[in-house]
Amino acid sequence: DVKVTQSSRYLVKRTGEKVFLECVQDMDHENMFWYRQDPGLGLRLIYFSYDVKMKEKGDIPEGYSVSREKKERFSLILESASTNQTSMYLCASVWSSGSYEQYFGPGTRLTVT
Amino acid sequence: GENVEQHPSTLSVQEGDSAVIKCTYSDSASNYFPWYKQELGKRPQLIIDIRSNVGEKKDQRIAVTLNKTAKHFSLHITETQPEDSAVYFCAADINDYKLSFGAGTTVTVRA
Repeated sequence: DVKVTQSSRYLVKRTGEKVFLECVQDMDHENMFWYRQDPGLGLRLIYFSYDVKMKEKGDIPEGYSVSREKKERFSLILESASTNQTSMYLCASVWSSGSYEQYFGPGTRLTVT
Repeated sequence: GENVEQHPSTLSVQEGDSAVIKCTYSDSASNYFPWYKQELGKRPQLIIDIRSNVGEKKDQRIAVTLNKTAKHFSLHITETQPEDSAVYFCAADINDYKLSFGAGTTVTVRA
């Protein structure tokens, strides 16, 4: 059974802080994603990684960066948190062959005050 | 890039009735169309998907139809039950494993 975990379920940070969100998957998936979920806007792709140290910008990368030093771990970094980054952040992973099913983590509810 | 529009944004149905959610997409190169269900406080999970070489797919009470010419696809839930209450997202592939998601439909099944 695929397991995708995220470092925190809830996080409260102050404006200007550097924030790290971590995602770990245990199924040797090559592809990993960070999404942001806001009511009425669905799931919007922030960044995508298709291999270790490889990354691609998604639809809304501004204000975010990512790190993938190991295959199982994909980190999202908010360099200087702002109140408009208050949101639910979801990580997902998928194999490179066969099923295209994305497996999601439980999400991190980030509040920036 | 791919743009997926989803309607309606909210849907309330009586238990036992059917629910239909419709999505349109913009990129004719898209070939994979999954549907995800997200129950309150839980992570999205794939419930059914369809590829462009198939017009319809069914799994028990849920079915998905695809019209590639018109670039739209729909989710049909029959004999709705309280456990069908959730947010449903449609999506279309951008390339390889990237997806573009619709805005979501909140389905409420009234007992």
